[in-house]
Amino acid sequence: DAKTTQPTSMDCAEGRAANLPCNHSTISGNEYVYWYRQIHSQGPQYIIHGLKNNETNEMASLIITEDRKSSTLILPHATLRDTAVYYCIVRVSSGYKLSFGAGTTVTVRA
Amino acid sequence: ETGVTQTPRHLVMGMTNKKSLKCEQHLGHNAMYWYKQSAKKPLELMFVYNFKEQTENNSVPSRFSPECPNSSHLFLHLHTLQPEDSALYLCASSQVLAGSNYGYTFGSGTRLTVV
Repeated sequence: DAKTTQPTSMDCAEGRAANLPCNHSTISGNEYVYWYRQIHSQGPQYIIHGLKNNETNEMASLIITEDRKSSTLILPHATLRDTAVYYCIVRVSSGYKLSFGAGTTVTVRA
Repeated sequence: ETGVTQTPRHLVMGMTNKKSLKCEQHLGHNAMYWYKQSAKKPLELMFVYNFKEQTENNSVPSRFSPECPNSSHLFLHLHTLQPEDSALYLCASSQVLAGSNYGYTFGSGTRLTVV
């Protein structure tokens, strides 16, 4: 699976949009971009995933660049409960490995 | 309720004890996983079970022994652990269908402290 690079940490203001970048320059054509988050001492929670097109669900939006070498997770209106570690993972849809890196620690401030 | 239930939530055990962690999934998934998360480290995949068969063991020491009696239940048997084994142990499940693996769902974890 391709490696991803994320900033170590970022702060954002409550009520504002949070834009979380992820670089995956070695991504292959059959690899998807997944986002998970982990609130302190809980299990990771699935947020969203995509292959080529931008995706949106009730939690977030995923913007993937045309060359697929990077993506941005957007939390449209961040709340204090969005404070968590966010993981960007690139993997094929088959296989059993869901490999986690260090992620981005996002702190939402009032 | 995430659909994946882990018990106990917290466990303190001595190095000579034997204990077991339990995981149950109510999602109808056919693959289950054990992950370990040590302090300030990324999650590490330990074991993978697909249709009750172990398909992956990521060089985990033998003092950790998994058991998957059916596709809904997964255990991690612990014996003669070391203090460095203290960590959050997470169970997950997913659905493998027609070559695709999706729907990863994690439990809340068991916080293990070895004294």
